[in-house]
Amino acid sequence: GAGVSQSPRYKVTKRGQDVALRCDPISGHVSLYWYRQALGQGPEFLTYFNYEAQQDKSGLPNDRFSAERPEGSISTLTIQRTEQRDSAMYRCASSRKLAGHNEQFFGPGTRLTVL
Amino acid sequence: QKEVEQNSGPLSVPEGAIASLNCTYSDRGSQSFFWYRQYSGKSPELIMFIYSNGDKEDGRFTAQLNKASQYVSLLIRDSQPSDSATYLCAVSQGAQKLVFGQGTRLTINP
Repeated sequence: GAGVSQSPRYKVTKRGQDVALRCDPISGHVSLYWYRQALGQGPEFLTYFNYEAQQDKSGLPNDRFSAERPEGSISTLTIQRTEQRDSAMYRCASSRKLAGHNEQFFGPGTRLTVL
Repeated sequence: QKEVEQNSGPLSVPEGAIASLNCTYSDRGSQSFFWYRQYSGKSPELIMFIYSNGDKEDGRFTAQLNKASQYVSLLIRDSQPSDSATYLCAVSQGAQKLVFGQGTRLTINP
């Protein structure tokens, strides 16, 4: 496939469990972004990577959230000790360029529900 | 003041008319501006981007940017029912981060 892929598409978990959300960017895209989108709102920035380096994690809500991209391709967003307020759509995007004007393309998202 | 503001709508436009969507932003340092279309239950789809003051046309879509007024707009000519969606304005903050507005819900009435 040519687009950004994310897995799982849906995740239901119990409060207190850890979850890992995966993103596979468009081939050749060097930058990868994580966003969270609440219903009726625009995506909210969480963090992003250029190659394997995490450039900005200012949007991560607290230290239960972490992300990695160890080989500069696939990325994992991990939420530890999930809480009900973590329930949201988690979206990944990728872009071809490092800086300047960089168009970001979104994947289908992972719908996380914490019971 | 929100960093990126859009009227949430709903905006209702008759088929064949021009739909006008507006967005204001607060960061004067922003350099890149994007419009995404999001159908219900789907992911945002990039439809237009603009980096310089003025107009940029692509088919039925025209993006307009006025950096002095910190204003960006999207015009959709000859609106079709398939244009019914939420339109998200996104503005760059810093090198690569995007800040999104809450989106404007557009309905095209046949």
